[in-house]
Amino acid sequence: AQKITQTQPGMFVQEKEAVTLDCTYDTSDPSYGLFWYKQPSSGEMIFLIYQGSYDQQNATEGRYSLNFQKARKSANLVISASQLGDSAMYFCAMREGGTGANNLFFGTGTRLTVIP
Amino acid sequence: KAGVTQTPRYLIKTRGQQVTLSCSPISGHRSVSWYQQTPGQGLQFLFEYFSETQRNKGNFPGRFSGRQFSNSRSEMNVSTLELGDSALYLCASSLLGQSTGELFFGEGSRLTVL
Repeated sequence: AQKITQTQPGMFVQEKEAVTLDCTYDTSDPSYGLFWYKQPSSGEMIFLIYQGSYDQQNATEGRYSLNFQKARKSANLVISASQLGDSAMYFCAMREGGTGANNLFFGTGTRLTVIP
Repeated sequence: KAGVTQTPRYLIKTRGQQVTLSCSPISGHRSVSWYQQTPGQGLQFLFEYFSETQRNKGNFPGRFSGRQFSNSRSEMNVSTLELGDSALYLCASSLLGQSTGELFFGEGSRLTVL
């Protein structure tokens, strides 16, 4: 079974609007972390936001927020007030077993296009 | 503060050759991990090094190897290159002990095998 599933190959959003990128995960480990990364055409993976499995509140970082629904095993990324520079690939990733291991499982990504 | 630096950024090799890629982590970071990104397989974990020791390894053949030096810089080597090794190789570093253990990635080394 896929550990991380991103069902949206591509998404379009109007500039200044909000957009939600979906991510579901599968793990039996009670301790895990969920990440979102942005990958522009240059190739660098840019860290956006992190959610730990024991965190009580949804993570937020500026215009990025993570809608964490533990029972449903979903960790959707919400980008508010989209900007043209947000156009990129977005990857959801998971790490199991606390902060000791740095083995991330990545989803297949969602290509976001922001329309002026 | 300098980010993760990977060299070379682009390289072209032929089948059967070998290649060495280099990664300099963020100053103070002791963990370095490597990922392979291809259109077909996506992002896959190769291995992770911490304090010059390999801590985790992904499901790749023995042609893929790596090492870490005392200054935390890391190299990965691919021997007997195959066409399927063409990929973007990403290096990530982290400062273990952080609450998030977030990983900072470099811009990658894009390898083309002809």
